[in-house]
Amino acid sequence: EAQVTQNPRYLITVTGKKLTVTCSQNMNHEYMSWYRQDPGLGLRQIYYSMNVEVTDKGDVPEGYKVSRKEKRNFPLILESPSPNQTSLYFCASRTASPTGELFFGEGSRLTVL
Amino acid sequence: DAKTTQPPSMDCAEGRAANLPCNHSTISGNEYVYWYRQIHSQGPQYIIHGLKNNETNEMASLIITEDRKSSTLILPHATLRDTAVYYCIVRSYYNAGNMLTFGGGTRLMVKP
Repeated sequence: EAQVTQNPRYLITVTGKKLTVTCSQNMNHEYMSWYRQDPGLGLRQIYYSMNVEVTDKGDVPEGYKVSRKEKRNFPLILESPSPNQTSLYFCASRTASPTGELFFGEGSRLTVL
Repeated sequence: DAKTTQPPSMDCAEGRAANLPCNHSTISGNEYVYWYRQIHSQGPQYIIHGLKNNETNEMASLIITEDRKSSTLILPHATLRDTAVYYCIVRSYYNAGNMLTFGGGTRLMVKP
């Protein structure tokens, strides 16, 4: 089954404790992206990657890092999480075609205390 | 990318067609209209997209006006499982970063 898998789905952590949210897709997609969703603000793009070793900032990249060492994986790294990073995070992927549909993961709900 | 305007909420009776409008009066020639939906807090799900012609797939139909300033998503026979927030998004073909801008969307409630 074609899917985008995120882990963990739920996480409560404390300020400053580094964490990584993993994202993996099994569709051989070139493009991958991270979004966060907050009440009243909709979905906002954090980072995206057009292909392996190619990443770029989205709308709200501050406080986040990403890497794309393999085509299927696109982890989101929070080096020093803060409470304002409490949010619902989504990973998405698509083919190289700019008109292609985005496939989203099921989301990772992160709480930073 | 052009902005979109959608009604915040709509109701529809189960089994009837749901017609969700979207206004995108500032759309430009290279911008596509996309529709996604989000059921509760699940990941958004792609529904359909189009440039200027009407489009249909197994989920829905997309009707785009001739001047492309508005469009309508049609769910022909709405079921309870279609209750969700529906997002109309306009984005340029040249937006390689694919930064989909999800606005407030329309919360569709399908009632028995």
